[in-house]
Amino acid sequence: DAKTTQPPSMDCAEGRAANLPCNHSTISGNEYVYWYRQIHSQGPQYIIHGLKNNETNEMASLIITEDRKSSTLILPHATLRDTAVYYCIVRPSGTYKYIFGTGTRLKVLA
Amino acid sequence: DVKVTQSSRYLVKRTGEKVFLECVQDMDHENMFWYRQDPGLGLRLIYFSYDVKMKEKGDIPEGYSVSREKKERFSLILESASTNQTSMYLCASSKDAYNEQFFGPGTRLTVL
Repeated sequence: DAKTTQPPSMDCAEGRAANLPCNHSTISGNEYVYWYRQIHSQGPQYIIHGLKNNETNEMASLIITEDRKSSTLILPHATLRDTAVYYCIVRPSGTYKYIFGTGTRLKVLA
Repeated sequence: DVKVTQSSRYLVKRTGEKVFLECVQDMDHENMFWYRQDPGLGLRLIYFSYDVKMKEKGDIPEGYSVSREKKERFSLILESASTNQTSMYLCASSKDAYNEQFFGPGTRLTVL
């Protein structure tokens, strides 16, 4: 079973920041938070991951709360091409297994 | 750029046929994975390979086998396809087992 909880769907206006929440209240100290997205009929695309510090790359920012029980993926300026299903995944360090849940379907509106 | 390719985007086969799904990566990654994706069930790991000729069962290996004769290529084999193997099949690779995985575009297999 997935160890994360995400809202099933969200809308965001084009050009605005998209903030996608994820709850992982049972996360352990050595478990990383990963984010992937899947655009319709394509394979999942890696976005970002983190352990306890906030992370930023060219695609997004990941904010992890101090207690690590939740995180937020931020797409700073959403475009129509960001419309996709976004998966938040918790993965223990030292294992290769991902457990994908059902994700959040983000729709970016013109 | 990282590249994982799969031999077909769409495939239609008959029950009982032997089916080969091919995956190739050009990143010199040690690890390769096969998943299937079904509505409401998310992605489920079928098999994992951590080196040439080495493999490990995932969560749902029944009805499948794999082959990795070369580092860049990982094949999924359905020995005798059944209708419950109709699914989207996704291949992925990673530099080592604990790094992020890069996925191919997927093969949508229909078994009639």
